[in-house]
Amino acid sequence: GENVEQHPSTLSVQEGDSAVIKCTYSDSASNYFPWYKQELGKRPQLIIDIRSNVGEKKDQRIAVTLNKTAKHFSLHITETQPEDSAVYFCAAHSGTYKYIFGTGTRLKVLA
Amino acid sequence: DAGVIQSPRHEVTEMGQEVTLRCKPISGHNSLFWYRQTMMRGLELLIYFNNNVPIDDSGMPEDRFSAKMPNASFSTLKIQPSEPRDSAVYFCASSPLTGFYGYTFGSGTRLTVV
Repeated sequence: GENVEQHPSTLSVQEGDSAVIKCTYSDSASNYFPWYKQELGKRPQLIIDIRSNVGEKKDQRIAVTLNKTAKHFSLHITETQPEDSAVYFCAAHSGTYKYIFGTGTRLKVLA
Repeated sequence: DAGVIQSPRHEVTEMGQEVTLRCKPISGHNSLFWYRQTMMRGLELLIYFNNNVPIDDSGMPEDRFSAKMPNASFSTLKIQPSEPRDSAVYFCASSPLTGFYGYTFGSGTRLTVV
């Protein structure tokens, strides 16, 4: 079955700097990759996703890149702000509409 | 739309008691998922349904766990008997059956078994 690895587990950046979170997956048939943000005590919320027919997608300060050959995808956050502090999860589609999540990255943006 | 609705938000129960968690998916969403979140194991998929039919329950940890979806607007996750190691946040999520869309998660149920 699908396996998703996520790195790093924790990441601290200065406000205004960029943050990059990386994930790898094992199932070459996976073709949909969502990213979720979970603030403390709240539900995970979808922030951006990418399908396998594109290599990059941007939404304001957030971007995701996908390398299907290498089976890895990354989340890029530019001009980080304190409200970006949260746990971020990547996921990969596995089987019929089932997503496997990475272990999460705790991002701290230092003011 | 009110989103995915879960109840209760918090549940504290004694070991050995039965616990029932409830979920109402977004109207029109045909897929429903139950996840468990702990610090140690992260987000674990327990079971998911398509059109009210259980598709994959390989994540259900033990026979003490059971889930049902009697209709398109309601699902339950039951633990009987509960144990302290079942303490976690249980999330329900739903998504449209067709195409690839991210899940919409409910607010979760924080279960504490003492």
